[in-house]
Amino acid sequence: NAGVTQTPKFQVLKTGQSMTLQCAQDMNHEYMSWYRQDPGMGLRLIHYSVGAGITDQGEVPNGYNVSRSTTEDFPLRLLSAAPSQTSVYFCASSPRGGDGYTFGSGTRLTVV
Amino acid sequence: KQEVTQIPAALSVPEGENLVLNCSFTDSAIYNLQWFRQDPGKGLTSLLLIQSSQREQTSGRLNASLDKSSGRSTLYIAASQPGDSATYLCAVRSDGSNDYKLSFGAGTTVTVRA
Repeated sequence: NAGVTQTPKFQVLKTGQSMTLQCAQDMNHEYMSWYRQDPGMGLRLIHYSVGAGITDQGEVPNGYNVSRSTTEDFPLRLLSAAPSQTSVYFCASSPRGGDGYTFGSGTRLTVV
Repeated sequence: KQEVTQIPAALSVPEGENLVLNCSFTDSAIYNLQWFRQDPGKGLTSLLLIQSSQREQTSGRLNASLDKSSGRSTLYIAASQPGDSATYLCAVRSDGSNDYKLSFGAGTTVTVRA
Protein backbone atom coordinates (compact mmCIF):
# COMPACT_ATOMS: atom_id res chain seq x y z
CA ASN A 1 0.00 0.00 0.00
CA ALA A 2 1.82 3.08 -1.31
CA GLY A 3 -0.45 5.77 0.20
CA VAL A 4 0.53 9.20 -1.14
CA THR A 5 3.49 9.26 -3.52
CA GLN A 6 5.32 12.46 -4.39
CA THR A 7 7.97 12.96 -7.05
CA PRO A 8 10.61 14.23 -7.25
CA LYS A 9 12.03 14.22 -3.71
CA PHE A 10 14.50 17.00 -4.46
CA GLN A 11 14.63 19.65 -7.17
CA VAL A 12 16.74 22.72 -7.92
CA LEU A 13 15.31 25.28 -10.33
CA LYS A 14 16.58 28.51 -11.76
CA THR A 15 14.45 31.62 -11.38
CA GLY A 16 11.87 31.76 -14.15
CA GLN A 17 11.82 28.04 -14.88
CA SER A 18 8.61 26.06 -14.64
CA MET A 19 8.05 22.57 -13.33
CA THR A 20 5.40 20.16 -12.11
CA LEU A 21 5.41 18.41 -8.76
CA GLN A 22 3.64 15.09 -8.99
CA CYS A 23 1.30 13.62 -6.41
CA ALA A 24 -0.59 10.34 -6.62
CA GLN A 25 -2.68 8.43 -4.08
CA ASP A 26 -4.04 4.90 -4.26
CA MET A 27 -6.60 5.08 -1.44
CA ASN A 28 -9.50 6.37 -3.53
CA HIS A 29 -9.59 9.55 -1.46
CA GLU A 30 -11.83 12.32 -2.76
CA TYR A 31 -9.96 15.19 -1.16
CA MET A 32 -6.39 16.14 -2.08
CA SER A 33 -4.36 19.19 -1.17
CA TRP A 34 -0.95 20.82 -1.40
CA TYR A 35 0.87 22.47 1.52
CA ARG A 36 4.17 24.22 1.75
CA GLN A 37 6.30 24.12 4.89
CA ASP A 38 8.61 27.00 5.71
CA PRO A 39 10.66 27.63 8.87
CA GLY A 40 8.71 29.80 11.29
CA MET A 41 5.57 29.71 9.09
CA GLY A 42 4.39 26.17 9.64
CA LEU A 43 2.40 24.41 6.93
CA ARG A 44 0.17 26.53 4.71
CA LEU A 45 -2.46 25.38 2.24
CA ILE A 46 -1.71 26.22 -1.42
CA HIS A 47 -4.53 24.54 -3.39
CA TYR A 48 -7.03 21.80 -2.76
CA SER A 49 -9.48 19.58 -4.61
CA VAL A 50 -12.68 17.97 -3.32
CA GLY A 51 -12.94 15.61 -6.28
CA ALA A 52 -11.96 15.00 -9.88
CA GLY A 53 -12.52 18.13 -11.97
CA ILE A 54 -12.86 20.42 -8.94
CA THR A 55 -10.04 22.59 -7.59
CA ASP A 56 -9.86 25.73 -5.48
CA GLN A 57 -7.35 28.09 -3.91
CA GLY A 58 -6.00 27.87 -0.41
CA GLU A 59 -4.12 30.46 1.63
CA VAL A 60 -1.07 30.96 -0.61
CA PRO A 61 -2.06 30.12 -4.22
CA ASN A 62 -0.11 32.78 -6.13
CA GLY A 63 2.43 31.36 -8.57
CA TYR A 64 0.92 27.88 -8.55
CA ASN A 65 -1.60 26.02 -10.68
CA VAL A 66 -3.32 22.69 -10.13
CA SER A 67 -5.61 20.35 -12.00
CA ARG A 68 -7.45 17.18 -11.04
CA SER A 69 -8.33 15.08 -14.05
CA THR A 70 -8.46 11.80 -12.10
CA THR A 71 -9.19 10.84 -8.50
CA GLU A 72 -5.64 9.53 -8.09
CA ASP A 73 -3.49 12.42 -9.35
CA PHE A 74 -3.13 16.03 -8.25
CA PRO A 75 -0.09 17.73 -9.82
CA LEU A 76 1.15 21.15 -8.70
CA ARG A 77 2.63 23.42 -11.36
CA LEU A 78 5.03 26.24 -10.71
CA LEU A 79 4.53 28.67 -13.55
CA SER A 80 7.67 30.81 -13.23
CA ALA A 81 9.78 29.84 -10.24
CA ALA A 82 10.89 32.53 -7.80
CA PRO A 83 13.31 32.28 -4.84
CA SER A 84 10.33 32.85 -2.52
CA GLN A 85 9.02 29.45 -3.64
CA THR A 86 11.99 27.69 -2.08
CA SER A 87 10.24 25.39 0.37
CA VAL A 88 9.26 21.85 1.20
CA TYR A 89 6.02 20.86 -0.53
CA PHE A 90 3.67 18.23 0.84
CA CYS A 91 0.72 16.61 -0.83
CA ALA A 92 -2.04 15.24 1.40
CA SER A 93 -5.24 13.30 0.86
CA SER A 94 -8.23 12.34 2.94
CA PRO A 95 -11.55 10.54 2.50
CA ARG A 96 -14.53 12.72 1.74
CA GLY A 97 -15.21 14.98 4.68
CA GLY A 98 -11.59 15.32 5.70
CA ASP A 99 -11.59 12.46 8.18
CA GLY A 100 -7.89 12.10 8.76
CA TYR A 101 -5.15 13.10 6.38
CA THR A 102 -2.34 11.06 4.84
CA PHE A 103 0.72 13.02 3.77
CA GLY A 104 3.34 12.25 1.17
CA SER A 105 7.04 12.30 1.97
CA GLY A 106 7.52 15.77 0.46
CA THR A 107 9.45 17.52 -2.30
CA ARG A 108 12.30 19.78 -1.26
CA LEU A 109 12.50 22.58 -3.82
CA THR A 110 15.26 25.15 -4.10
CA VAL A 111 14.97 28.09 -6.50
CA VAL A 112 18.23 29.89 -7.25
CA LYS B 1 -9.11 32.47 11.73
CA GLN B 2 -8.04 29.37 13.64
CA GLU B 3 -4.74 29.83 15.46
CA VAL B 4 -2.92 26.76 16.81
CA THR B 5 -0.17 27.04 19.40
CA GLN B 6 2.14 24.32 20.67
CA ILE B 7 4.07 24.69 23.89
CA PRO B 8 6.86 24.03 24.56
CA ALA B 9 8.71 24.53 21.28
CA ALA B 10 11.37 22.05 22.37
CA LEU B 11 11.68 19.39 25.03
CA SER B 12 14.57 17.19 26.16
CA VAL B 13 13.99 14.28 28.52
CA PRO B 14 15.91 11.19 29.68
CA GLU B 15 14.81 7.83 28.34
CA GLY B 16 11.92 6.32 30.26
CA GLU B 17 10.32 9.60 31.26
CA ASN B 18 6.75 10.32 30.18
CA LEU B 19 6.24 13.07 27.61
CA VAL B 20 3.45 15.67 27.73
CA LEU B 21 2.95 17.81 24.64
CA ASN B 22 0.41 20.62 24.59
CA CYS B 23 -1.69 22.06 21.78
CA SER B 24 -4.13 24.95 22.08
CA PHE B 25 -6.50 26.39 19.50
CA THR B 26 -8.50 29.60 19.43
CA ASP B 27 -11.77 28.49 17.81
CA SER B 28 -13.53 25.64 19.60
CA ALA B 29 -15.74 24.88 16.57
CA ILE B 30 -13.56 22.06 15.30
CA TYR B 31 -14.36 18.99 13.22
CA ASN B 32 -11.36 16.99 14.34
CA LEU B 33 -7.78 17.26 15.57
CA GLN B 34 -4.85 15.20 14.35
CA TRP B 35 -1.40 14.64 15.83
CA PHE B 36 1.51 14.02 13.48
CA ARG B 37 5.13 13.08 13.87
CA GLN B 38 7.81 14.49 11.57
CA ASP B 39 11.37 13.21 11.49
CA PRO B 40 14.09 15.55 10.16
CA GLY B 41 13.87 15.88 6.38
CA LYS B 42 10.88 13.54 6.23
CA GLY B 43 7.15 13.71 5.72
CA LEU B 44 4.34 13.75 8.27
CA THR B 45 3.22 10.51 9.87
CA SER B 46 -0.23 10.46 11.41
CA LEU B 47 -0.26 9.35 15.05
CA LEU B 48 -3.79 9.92 16.32
CA LEU B 49 -7.02 11.44 15.04
CA ILE B 50 -9.60 12.71 17.52
CA GLN B 51 -13.09 13.57 16.32
CA SER B 52 -14.81 16.57 17.90
CA SER B 53 -17.22 14.26 19.75
CA GLN B 54 -14.41 12.28 21.38
CA ARG B 55 -12.50 13.03 24.56
CA GLU B 56 -9.45 10.89 23.88
CA GLN B 57 -7.75 8.40 21.61
CA THR B 58 -5.12 5.81 22.42
CA SER B 59 -2.61 3.88 20.38
CA GLY B 60 0.03 1.85 22.18
CA ARG B 61 2.12 4.20 24.32
CA LEU B 62 0.35 7.25 22.88
CA ASN B 63 -2.72 8.89 24.33
CA ALA B 64 -4.28 12.13 23.13
CA SER B 65 -6.99 14.04 24.94
CA LEU B 66 -9.28 16.73 23.61
CA ASP B 67 -11.09 19.46 25.54
CA LYS B 68 -12.99 21.49 22.97
CA SER B 69 -14.49 23.95 25.41
CA SER B 70 -11.07 25.07 26.63
CA GLY B 71 -9.45 24.76 23.20
CA ARG B 72 -6.82 22.24 24.25
CA SER B 73 -5.39 18.89 23.31
CA THR B 74 -2.59 17.01 25.02
CA LEU B 75 -0.46 14.21 23.63
CA TYR B 76 1.00 11.85 26.21
CA ILE B 77 3.82 9.47 25.31
CA ALA B 78 4.52 6.92 28.01
CA ALA B 79 7.99 5.57 28.82
CA SER B 80 9.81 7.57 26.18
CA GLN B 81 12.51 5.98 24.00
CA PRO B 82 15.29 7.55 21.90
CA GLY B 83 13.27 6.54 18.84
CA ASP B 84 10.56 8.96 19.94
CA SER B 85 12.88 11.87 19.13
CA ALA B 86 11.10 13.90 16.43
CA THR B 87 8.96 16.97 15.92
CA TYR B 88 5.32 16.54 16.88
CA LEU B 89 2.70 18.62 15.08
CA CYS B 90 -0.87 19.29 16.10
CA ALA B 91 -3.36 20.08 13.31
CA VAL B 92 -6.96 21.23 13.61
CA ARG B 93 -9.68 20.93 11.01
CA SER B 94 -12.26 23.58 11.74
CA ASP B 95 -15.96 22.82 11.53
CA GLY B 96 -17.89 24.28 8.62
CA SER B 97 -14.82 25.01 6.51
CA ASN B 98 -15.36 24.40 2.82
CA ASP B 99 -11.69 23.93 2.14
CA TYR B 100 -11.19 21.19 4.79
CA LYS B 101 -7.98 23.00 5.62
CA LEU B 102 -5.75 21.87 8.45
CA SER B 103 -4.42 24.62 10.70
CA PHE B 104 -1.06 23.55 12.07
CA GLY B 105 0.87 24.46 15.14
CA ALA B 106 4.60 25.16 14.83
CA GLY B 107 5.43 21.87 16.51
CA THR B 108 7.27 20.59 19.57
CA THR B 109 10.72 19.15 18.93
CA VAL B 110 11.40 16.28 21.30
CA THR B 111 14.79 14.83 22.17
CA VAL B 112 14.92 11.67 24.26
CA ARG B 113 18.38 11.12 25.76
CA ALA B 114 19.66 7.57 26.11
